[in-house]
Amino acid sequence: DAMVIQNPRYQVTQFGKPVTLSCSQTLNHNVMYWYQQKSSQAPKLLFHYYDKDFNNEADTPDNFQSRRPNTSFCFLDIRSPGLGDAAMYLCATSRGDRLAGYEQYFGPGTRLTVT
Amino acid sequence: GQNIDQPTEMTATEGAIVQINCTYQTSGFNGLFWYQQHAGEAPTFLSYNVLDGLEEKGRFSSFLSRSKGYSYLLLKELQMKDSASYLCAVRDQFNKLIFGAGTRLAVHP
Repeated sequence: DAMVIQNPRYQVTQFGKPVTLSCSQTLNHNVMYWYQQKSSQAPKLLFHYYDKDFNNEADTPDNFQSRRPNTSFCFLDIRSPGLGDAAMYLCATSRGDRLAGYEQYFGPGTRLTVT
Repeated sequence: GQNIDQPTEMTATEGAIVQINCTYQTSGFNGLFWYQQHAGEAPTFLSYNVLDGLEEKGRFSSFLSRSKGYSYLLLKELQMKDSASYLCAVRDQFNKLIFGAGTRLAVHP
């Protein structure tokens, strides 16, 4: 089945220790998104790629970086995680065109704990 | 600014009907989505409205009034598995989704 896959599902890292979260998709969608969702809050868009074009949200901290080496994979790098970065990180994809309605398909998420 | 409001929590009885409201004020509007999210899981797509009116899909229906900045999600014949958070999201003029904080629905027997 075509899908969005995130690994790992649960990640524990230490304060200040770099961590990378990964997302892959078999949908061949050209847009990939990273969201941060804290408990009982709305998902917050961090950045997205339209093909290779990177689009950073204005309020995304510099501590968060992303890489998209090819259509299928996208990575979220947190350079120096703080306690406030503990959250669920959601990857999503979309076809990015009007005919598809821009519907976003979400992966299962990675829950990050910072100790 | 961008603002999407929905009730924080609702409770309902199995077999009943529940309506979850969403009001929005956004700088642009290119459609409204409803997503279902079970605890600890990813959001899953329920419905999409871009024109005024009611969209029906099985037990779930969604309504939109663009002039009022208002939508609702109607769930009929509630089942225990419908206990989840329901997220309202508006697609803005840049085709980004702006999410509400979600409505946590508890269905009890």
